[in-house]
Amino acid sequence: EDQVTQSPEALRLQEGESSSLNCSYTVSGLRGLFWYRQDPGKGPEFLFTLYSAGEEKEKERLKATLTKKESFLHITAPKPEDSATYLCAVQPDDYKLSFGAGTTVTVRA
Amino acid sequence: DVKVTQSSRYLVKRTGEKVFLECVQDMDHENMFWYRQDPGLGLRLIYFSYDVKMKEKGDIPEGYSVSREKKERFSLILESASTNQTSMYLCASSSPRTDRTYGYTFGSGTRLTVV
Repeated sequence: EDQVTQSPEALRLQEGESSSLNCSYTVSGLRGLFWYRQDPGKGPEFLFTLYSAGEEKEKERLKATLTKKESFLHITAPKPEDSATYLCAVQPDDYKLSFGAGTTVTVRA
Repeated sequence: DVKVTQSSRYLVKRTGEKVFLECVQDMDHENMFWYRQDPGLGLRLIYFSYDVKMKEKGDIPEGYSVSREKKERFSLILESASTNQTSMYLCASSSPRTDRTYGYTFGSGTRLTVV
C-alpha cells in the first residue's frame, strides 16, 4: 500500500527564518511526486512535480528536492504570504494520487 | 479562469437528509475525483470516475454514492447525512494527457456541516 508521511505537522517561522518540510513515501513505481499549496478554506494549488531522484525544482522562495525515499520542500527567507498548508502527493503506476496529511506553515512578521 | 467549480462553498444539513454536492470542470478532463479532508487525516479518496457513467470506489466510499452523466460533471451524494460526514469535500479532475505533469486540478471545496 502506498504511504505518504509529512513532517512536521505544523511549523511556525519568523519572517526570514529558512526551514524545510519533509515528505517520506513508500510507493510501487513512482511516476511523479507533487507538491501543492493550500490556503485556508480553499482547494490545493499545484506547485511542483518531481520525477526522479536528484531532481530539483524552484519557484520564488520555494525549492523542492527528491530522493528515492523522500522529498523536501525548502522555504528560503519566508514571508507572511508563504503561510499555508503544503501537501505532498505521490503518483504510483496508476493515475491516482496518494496524499500526505500536510504541513501547516505559519510565518510571523 | 475558473476550471473546477464546486456549487457550494458552505452547506449546513440535518442528519438524515439526502445531500448533493456538485462539481463541474471545463478542461475536458477524463478523470474526476471526490475527496474529503479532515484535520490530521489529510485527503481521503471517496470515489473516482475515469469516464462518463463509470465510477470506482476509493478508500472510504461507505455512506456515499456518485453520478457522472456528463463528462464535465461529477456529483457526490450523501444518501442519509450523518454528523461524522461533517468535513471539507474537495473535487478534482485530471487527464492522462497531463496528469504526470500537473497532477490534479482542485475545486475550492465545500465545507459541509451536518447537525
